[in-house]
Amino acid sequence: NAGVTQTPKFRILKIGQSMTLQCTQDMNHNYMYWYRQDPGMGLKLIYYSVGAGITDKGEVPNGYNVSRSTTEDFPLRLELAAPSQTSVYFCASSGVGKNIQYFGAGTRLSVL
Amino acid sequence: EDKVVQSPLSLVVHEGDTVTLNCSYEVTNFRSLLWYKQEKKAPTFLFMLTSSGIEKKSGRLSSILDKKELSSILNITATQTGDSAIYLCAVEVGGSQGNLIFGKGTKLSVKP
Repeated sequence: NAGVTQTPKFRILKIGQSMTLQCTQDMNHNYMYWYRQDPGMGLKLIYYSVGAGITDKGEVPNGYNVSRSTTEDFPLRLELAAPSQTSVYFCASSGVGKNIQYFGAGTRLSVL
Repeated sequence: EDKVVQSPLSLVVHEGDTVTLNCSYEVTNFRSLLWYKQEKKAPTFLFMLTSSGIEKKSGRLSSILDKKELSSILNITATQTGDSAIYLCAVEVGGSQGNLIFGKGTKLSVKP
């Protein structure tokens, strides 16, 4: 049972670099989400998708982009990394019931 | 603005103690409330509560929603060191594609 898989687990970027955080799920879930979690804060929604080809902004989308070409994959793109994007990023997915989200192990990103 | 507030933000207890974690919410169009446990990595699902008011139990953990008070409690009896984690409360609001609004979490430390 792989569930939700995120890669990489850790990454250090320099200011201005770009990278893609990968997320894939094998539960055939329609709904997928990207969150960031800063110390002492709850999870903030960056982007979400209700199915292949459909994405929408969450609470904190600035500086990020997403795409959803398949049901399984939902990559998150950082174009010009900034220190404010230092955080732990979680990908999640949910199925027909929508409300129970299952999370990946997270990607810890530092922008220096 | 929708918000979810958890209290206390941190708590230190000794093994065998009973703890109660609180979650209150102010949201439009409430659908459900979820509790997650976050150890070092991904949040893992514990309970989902709806306005039915039915208590949920799993071993030493239990939770209930008070729809009049717009709040929920998570009880842990006979705590163990393995219960040490951040407990996250999240509220699903209707009409937003299953999006969850998270509280900041309660960090529970159980000492031997």
